[in-house]
Amino acid sequence: GIQVEQSPPDLILQEGANSTLRCNFSDSVNNLQWFHQNPWGQLINLFYIPSGTKQNGRLSATTVATERYSLLYISSSQTTDSGVYFCAVGSNYQLIWGAGTKLIIKP
Amino acid sequence: DTGVSQDPRHKITKRGQNVTFRCDPISEHNRLYWYRQTLGQGPEFLTYFQNEAQLEKSRLLSDRFSAERPKGSFSTLEIQRTEQGDSAMYLCASSLEVRGRRAYEQYFGPGTRLTVT
Repeated sequence: GIQVEQSPPDLILQEGANSTLRCNFSDSVNNLQWFHQNPWGQLINLFYIPSGTKQNGRLSATTVATERYSLLYISSSQTTDSGVYFCAVGSNYQLIWGAGTKLIIKP
Repeated sequence: DTGVSQDPRHKITKRGQNVTFRCDPISEHNRLYWYRQTLGQGPEFLTYFQNEAQLEKSRLLSDRFSAERPKGSFSTLEIQRTEQGDSAMYLCASSLEVRGRRAYEQYFGPGTRLTVT
């Protein structure tokens, strides 16, 4: 089955810093989503991005499907950005998830 | 805009008891998914429905687990004879299949956190 690897596993930054999170996957996919899981466990959709580039405020994402990776950029980090960021990929119905990147933003 | 809702949000039960969780998807969504997430891990797929039909079940879904979506709207997930290993967050998601599209953005509910003592 498809393997999903996220890096780094942990990231600690000062408020205001920029960060890049990476997601590698082992096979071609039709679905790729980035999520932010808040401390209460809610998964918040950030991007649906099987290919191309999207931006939403301080966040942007790029997926290079032919090279099987996706990047999530967070600029000017705020403490509310803390949490776990997941990349999930799929071909038809199920999403296959990476282990996540735990991001801590210090004030 | 009503998102995916789940009930209850938390459930504590004793080993051997049966529990049932409910999920209400986004109203126009025809696909509904169940996932399970244990501490420190990403979610794992359990099963999904297209309208009322259960089309796929993971090997994780043992005989003690059963899911229904009787009228193609809300869904229930029942766990019989709970075990301590069932302790996890149970997540429900929904999506809209559009004929001709090959992939579907999934939207998640807040989850039901199950603790088996």
